[in-house]
Amino acid sequence: GIQVEQSPPDLILQEGANSTLRCNFSDSVNNLQWFHQNPWGQLINLFYIPSGTKQNGRLSATTVATERYSLLYISSSQTTDSGVYFCAASQAGTALIFGKGTTLSVSS
Amino acid sequence: EPEVTQTPSHQVTQMGQEVILRCVPISNHLYFYWYRQILGQKVEFLVSFYNNEISEKSEIFDDQFSVERPDGSNFTLKIRSTKLEDSAMYFCASRLPRDGKTYEQYFGPGTRLTVT
Repeated sequence: GIQVEQSPPDLILQEGANSTLRCNFSDSVNNLQWFHQNPWGQLINLFYIPSGTKQNGRLSATTVATERYSLLYISSSQTTDSGVYFCAASQAGTALIFGKGTTLSVSS
Repeated sequence: EPEVTQTPSHQVTQMGQEVILRCVPISNHLYFYWYRQILGQKVEFLVSFYNNEISEKSEIFDDQFSVERPDGSNFTLKIRSTKLEDSAMYFCASRLPRDGKTYEQYFGPGTRLTVT
């Protein structure tokens, strides 16, 4: 099955800094989603992005399907951006395979 | 915007007891999933369900677990004879059928299960 690797595992930033989180996947996918897990443990869906680029406010994501990676960009980070960011991928509607996540800590 | 709901938000049970976790998927979705996340670990797939039967399951989903769609709106996960290691956050997800547009899965807020 697909393997999903995320990097870096941990990221520490000052408020206002920009960051890039990376997700590599081992095979072609039909689904690629980015999530933010909040302090209550809820998975907040950030992007559904099997290919191309999307933007939502300070966040944007790019997936290069042919090279099997996706990037999540966070600009002008805020303390509320802290938490764990997960990438998950699947083929043709099968189970999502999650990466181990990137833990982001933003300090003021 | 339609959303997946789960109840209860937190369940505490004693080892050996049975628990039922409930989910209400988005109304026009036809594929349903359960995932779990042990504290501090990544999210793991348990089972998928379509057309009233299991379509895919992981190694974790053994005879201790079962799923059911008892009516047109609910989707349940039953865990028989709970063990300490079943303590985790359980997420339900749903998606539309493949219609040439999307495979996006929509997640509920989760049920935190604590087995004592």
